[in-house]
Parts: sequence; C-alpha cells; structure tokens
Amino acid sequence: GAGVSQSPSNKVTEKGKDVELRCDPISGHTALYWYRQSLGQGLEFLIYFQGNSAPDKSGLPSDRFSAERTGGSVSTLTIQRTQQEDSAVYLCASSAGTPGVNTQYFGPGTRLTVL
Amino acid sequence: GESVGLHLPTLSVQEGDNSIINCAYSNSASDYFIWYKQESGKGPQFIIDIRSNMDKRQGQRVTVLLNKTVKHLSLQIAATQPGDSAVYFCAENNYGQNFVFGPGTRLSVLP
Repeated sequence: GAGVSQSPSNKVTEKGKDVELRCDPISGHTALYWYRQSLGQGLEFLIYFQGNSAPDKSGLPSDRFSAERTGGSVSTLTIQRTQQEDSAVYLCASSAGTPGVNTQYFGPGTRLTVL
Repeated sequence: GESVGLHLPTLSVQEGDNSIINCAYSNSASDYFIWYKQESGKGPQFIIDIRSNMDKRQGQRVTVLLNKTVKHLSLQIAATQPGDSAVYFCAENNYGQNFVFGPGTRLSVLP
C-alpha cells in the first residue's frame, strides 16, 4: 500500500546538463500528473497521462521538457539543457481514474537545483 | 526540506482557535474541489474534497464550504493545533480536465 514515490529526492546539476526525474505512482492508478512548484509559487501543471490516451502536454514550458510513461506505470520527466530557471520542486501525483471523479495523491517531490 | 511559499498570504491564529482559509476559484464550470495541506519539504496531502452538488462537507476537525454563486471555497479548521501549520492549497477541476491550483495560504499557529 505504498504511496507515490519519486526519485531522486534532490538533484543538483550544472546548467546545460540533462536530468531525468522518476515517478512511481500508486499501483493500479491510471492517471499520472507532473507539476512544478517554484519557491514562493503555487503548483504549475506540466503534463498529464490517462491510461493509454495521448498525454496532455499543454503545460510543458518548452521543448526541453518531455515525459513518458512506460507500461502505464512508472513515468520519467526529462529536462534537456537545464537552465537556472528550471530550479524548482517537481511533484508527481496519481489518481485512480478520471480527474474530477478520483482524488489525486502526491509524491514527496524532487528538488532540482541548477547551478 | 525546502520551504515553499515564502511570499504567500499568511494567516496567523492562536492555538485552539478556529481557522478559516479562503479560496476564489476561476472556472464556473468546475465541479470538483479539493483542499490540500503542504508541509515544508513534503508533497501536498489531501485533506477534504467537495463536489459542486454540495455546499458543505465535514471531516474530522475540518469543514469545506462551497459558494458557487461567487465562486468561493473555504476551509474551516476547528481547534487549530501546532501540527496544522502548513501551506494550504485549493484545487478545482472541470470534469475530465486537469486540476488547477490556487496560489496557497500559509497557516501559522501561535502558541
């Protein structure tokens, strides 16, 4: 009965490097979300996966950001050529089904620092 | 862990008093609302939800009120405790769409 897990918990990288952030949703949850939370800000939606449907990528801030979800479970958020403004906490959440029907549950987040 | 929301609106209450945290939502078509609590260094934690066919829902020490006329949501916490200190976010959802989060309010419980 584990909750949503994310790894790493902290990531420090140099500007221009690529990073991969991982999310393990709650088992059986079909929906998975990525959000970004900058210091002093609320949650910014990035991308949403629902079952086998095409993901909603409308929140991705640039083409340096991409995400995939393999086998309907684990998801990886990739940021290429990181910039200092990418520094934030990246949160993953999952829910059992369609948003608005089922509550979403959050992981602890990955704190990304770009030097 | 990292502190979030350093520049958020802050509500300070005395321990044992009731707290009321307010949220204005944006989409009149939203039909599902959630309140989350976020402690420093942690992800948001579900507190209580409410659907648009209701105007009030109660949990343990918490009550959510929904006023669709003015698109307003509030979270009431009874007998506030030091452990309630956190940032509180409301989120709205229009069925099948993404959740949209409010900016958050920091609750500070004074001894």
